[in-house]
Amino acid sequence: KAGVTQTPRYLIKTRGQQVTLSCSPISGHRSVSWYQQTPGQGLQFLFEYFSETQRNKGNFPGRFSGRQFSNSRSEMNVSTLELGDSALYLCASSLAPGRLEPQHFGDGTRLSIL
Amino acid sequence: AQTVTQSQPEMSVQEAETVTLSCTYDTSESDYYLFWYKQPPSRQMILVIRQEAYKQQNATENRFSVNFQKAAKSFSLKISDSQLGDAAMYFCAYSRNAGGTSYGKLTFGQGTILTVHP
Repeated sequence: KAGVTQTPRYLIKTRGQQVTLSCSPISGHRSVSWYQQTPGQGLQFLFEYFSETQRNKGNFPGRFSGRQFSNSRSEMNVSTLELGDSALYLCASSLAPGRLEPQHFGDGTRLSIL
Repeated sequence: AQTVTQSQPEMSVQEAETVTLSCTYDTSESDYYLFWYKQPPSRQMILVIRQEAYKQQNATENRFSVNFQKAAKSFSLKISDSQLGDAAMYFCAYSRNAGGTSYGKLTFGQGTILTVHP
């Protein structure tokens, strides 16, 4: 069974640009969560989607957005990129937002802002 | 808001020895879940062990076990018979149980880098 797939693995952008990251969950998983990992702030929750609906949102500015498609694949978008957006973006999936369902993580997308 | 604190930025252990990583958390909830994740240099976060707060029995997964002290809000990870492959960043994480609306949100500690010496 394939794991969580995130594309691309690496991305270099400049300030002011926008970027879209993709996450394909494990087959059958319907819940997808996104996290930002930086050396300074650690791992921070961005948002969670289930059945194409955003169920939870972290404390990030509106430049960060996401969506989930009917096949459970998810994308996150960051507009007007800032230097501080440089980070490893991790996606995690689970069968459903249930109490016994652990999250399975992808390898992440390393975003560098120049 | 819930917070998770890992007070040991770095730990080291000799191969085959035992090491304990500390984690404390703060929450006003009574029902929640706690996890230990491992992140090797390859970047992928791997679930090591999980504990449900309403279960008093400490979780165990092979060489990994936890010491869950609910009253003290402490959740330490013990790694027995340490192996070179255990070297990684370890994260303690919390997820609240709020009627099914918050399972997808993990709150992480700052992480502990574990080095295993041969």
